[in-house]
Parts: sequence; structure tokens; C-alpha cells
Amino acid sequence: GAVVSQHPSRVICKSGTSVKIECRSLDFQATTMFWYRQFPKQSLMLMATSNEGSKATYEQGVEKDKFLINHASLTLSTLTVTSAHPEDSSFYICSASSGQGATGELFFGEGSRLTVL
Amino acid sequence: GENVEQHPSTLSVQEGDSAVIKCTYSDSASNYFPWYKQELGKRPQLIIDIRSNVGEKKDQRIAVTLNKTAKHFSLHITETQPEDSAVYFCASGYSTLTFGKGTMLLVSP
Repeated sequence: GAVVSQHPSRVICKSGTSVKIECRSLDFQATTMFWYRQFPKQSLMLMATSNEGSKATYEQGVEKDKFLINHASLTLSTLTVTSAHPEDSSFYICSASSGQGATGELFFGEGSRLTVL
Repeated sequence: GENVEQHPSTLSVQEGDSAVIKCTYSDSASNYFPWYKQELGKRPQLIIDIRSNVGEKKDQRIAVTLNKTAKHFSLHITETQPEDSAVYFCASGYSTLTFGKGTMLLVSP
């Protein structure tokens, strides 16, 4: 199947700093990528839908100025957690679709565990 | 928006038994229903999916059924093995997917 790579897999940062997470589709072009947040023993919560060449669509309750998403090419989307605080500590996962929107098969990145001290 | 309910939250079975996980959804426009398996600390992996024009799909020990009228779909795993132990998520949607809360399946040898 298609491969989605996410980097870094783990990051520890101090409160107030910004952290960038990259999501790449390695062998296919992804017009749409999705960013999720997952707390321990909980489900995947969609944060935003990232569309190549346009602004991301954020889910209700997700601060767009806090979680900056850029989808500059068909193979790369980035999530920047700005001025991170301990409550932002979580597992962030991206996914990319091989078809239209989310109804083609979704391929997930490995996830990035963010710990904010 | 779409609301997906998944039950049970935990399921313990003996090796060789069958396991069934059920999900209901709210948006009648949803047309794609995948199931993902997630092992601890790893990425979710698609195990089977079904589209709204199909009522049942099977892949070896795994099957999914869909009832669009009742807005529910189920995952069936037969002859369970210890390596089937993981968290299983259902999802539903069309342009974006909404995930169920997950079911932790424990298969005891």
C-alpha cells in the first residue's frame, strides 16, 4: 500500500516554543491530508483538513492560530504547534487519501508524540 | 456533523472464538465505512472497508456488514488469535471521516 511518513516521531520541548511536524506521502500525490490528535486510550479526533494550495479547514474548537497547517505541495503537509503548552502534549497523526476527500483509502503516518514540559 | 457510536469499549475473548464490534452513525449521506486496527503506540492500519452500495464484505477471517436503513455496520472476526489483540476503530463519512471511540479487543490464548 501507499506510504505516509511523519517526522519527528517524538519531540520534547519547553513551554512557549513552537514545534513543526511534517507529513509526507512518499509514493502518491495527496490532494488532501488530515491531521488528528489522539489522547491516551482515546479515539482519533480530526483537527483539520489540509488541502494543497489552499487554507486548511479546521474542526470546531480547534484554534487555527495555535495549530498552523501548511500544505504547500501534493506530497507535504506540516502542522506547527505554536507557543506550545503542557496541555498540547498529545499524539498527533496525519493521514493522506489516495482518492477523493476521505473516501479513498486513508494511509496514516507513524504519528508524532509531543511532550511539552 | 456525523456522530459515530461504537460498542463495546472492551471485548475479551478466548482464542478461536468470534468477536463482533458494532457501530452506528447518524449522517445518512455517509458512504464509506472503514475499520482500522491500532496497536499500542503505532499508526492505525486499515483492515477492511465497505461502501454504501454493498451490504457485506469478507476478507479471510474478517467481515464487515452494513445496514444503511438502520445506519449501523459491524466488524466480525472469526477464529480469533492473540495477535488480533489491539484497538479497533470504525469510521464513517464521505468527505471527512468521523471515528468511533474504539474497542480494545483482548484475545487470550
